[in-house]
Amino acid sequence: AQTVTQSQPEMSVQEAETVTLSCTYDTSESDYYLFWYKQPPSRQMILVIRQEAYKQQNATENRFSVNFQKAAKSFSLKISDSQLGDAAMYFCAYRSYGGSNYKLTFGKGTLLTVNP
Amino acid sequence: NAGVTQTPKFRVLKTGQSMTLLCAQDMNHEYMYWYRQDPGMGLRLIHYSVGEGTTAKGEVPDGYNVSRLKKQNFLLGLESAAPSQTSVYFCASRQGQGSTYEQYFGPGTRLTVT
Repeated sequence: AQTVTQSQPEMSVQEAETVTLSCTYDTSESDYYLFWYKQPPSRQMILVIRQEAYKQQNATENRFSVNFQKAAKSFSLKISDSQLGDAAMYFCAYRSYGGSNYKLTFGKGTLLTVNP
Repeated sequence: NAGVTQTPKFRVLKTGQSMTLLCAQDMNHEYMYWYRQDPGMGLRLIHYSVGEGTTAKGEVPDGYNVSRLKKQNFLLGLESAAPSQTSVYFCASRQGQGSTYEQYFGPGTRLTVT
């Protein structure tokens, strides 16, 4: 079974600075997807970024980028020019490439605080 | 287009009471999921459905039952609620087979069992 580990329960960053959230995972599969979800106080789960394991290029979405190290099974999220609206719980998640149910396996989350 | 909706948003139950959480999606999605979120635990899969009339167990199915009688609805039932079922419950759906499709989440239901 796959596992996802987020070793930082809480992180904080100053507005306009850069912060990196860590995620490691364990799998025996070669093809899979990795995701970062944002959960603001509203509780809504918002997909921030995703990475296909077969792609060597790191995914980017505006101020959000990832550092995907497949051999090390590491998938970190970098938030540049942090904004107050970035304050939220962030979850790393894994999904197999195929299979019968496409279920997500989540880490325990990192609570990000943005200080003005 | 409302996406994924959940009813109710909040509920307080007493131990031993029963209730049903309703998830509805208007995107004609094949797959639907129920997760629970507990502090420090992330989201864990309770049950899922890969199509109308089908259900399957996830990671933490004990104490819950589900039904998918209509494609657009996925019901989560608690027959005899326990304090350990105090949690936030999320429903999600995805289009169907195909690795590129994403899961869309509902807004969650906060359930407290006293």
